[in-house]
Amino acid sequence: AQSVTQLGSHVSVSEGALVLLRCNYSSSVPPYLFWYVQYPNQGLQLLLKYTTGATLVKGINGFEAEFKKSETSFHLTKPSAHMSDAAEYFCAVRRSNDYKLSFGAGTTVTVRA
Amino acid sequence: GAGVSQSPRYKVAKRGQDVALRCDPISGHVSLFWYQQALGQGPEFLTYFQNEAQLDKSGLPSDRFFAERPEGSVSTLKIQRTQQEDSAVYLCASSPAAGHDEQYFGPGTRLTVT
Repeated sequence: AQSVTQLGSHVSVSEGALVLLRCNYSSSVPPYLFWYVQYPNQGLQLLLKYTTGATLVKGINGFEAEFKKSETSFHLTKPSAHMSDAAEYFCAVRRSNDYKLSFGAGTTVTVRA
Repeated sequence: GAGVSQSPRYKVAKRGQDVALRCDPISGHVSLFWYQQALGQGPEFLTYFQNEAQLDKSGLPSDRFFAERPEGSVSTLKIQRTQQEDSAVYLCASSPAAGHDEQYFGPGTRLTVT
């Protein structure tokens, strides 16, 4: 079985500051890892994913994440927050030989002007 | 192109009523998923279809929940005798092929059981 832990249900950052959202996972087989963003009353949108290869992955809207196997982590970062980054962010894991996504509980990001 | 659409977007049901939630996946997508997202939680897997075949229904919380995809495109999630604990957002996702990396999500149906 796999599980996902997102540390911090709420994160508040100033506009222009670093955004750091933490995600740790457990998986019995090599994982595929994902970050999704959800804006109010909208579905989930894929920000970025790690499947194989380079452990630092870049996504849309200036976000990136690094897969660290030794730490079982896949933290999401953005160097400079923008007001439009205010949303809920979900980390998800899928076993490489499976299709089901397992999600963390989510982290709500607010951006202060 | 058109994404995944779901209807209705909002549904209020009295406890004990039956409801049907519809999902229109992206045209040609083989795989279709249903997830349940309770308030303040991440989505949880309910069931998976590959074309018209329901290959996994391990996440359905009770036998009151039933899903179908009879022609391999549109899917319906039916909940019989709704209970308050069924209140949640029900998300549908599709992907081009089995095992494809990305699942494309619809906007969800928010079900409130009173």
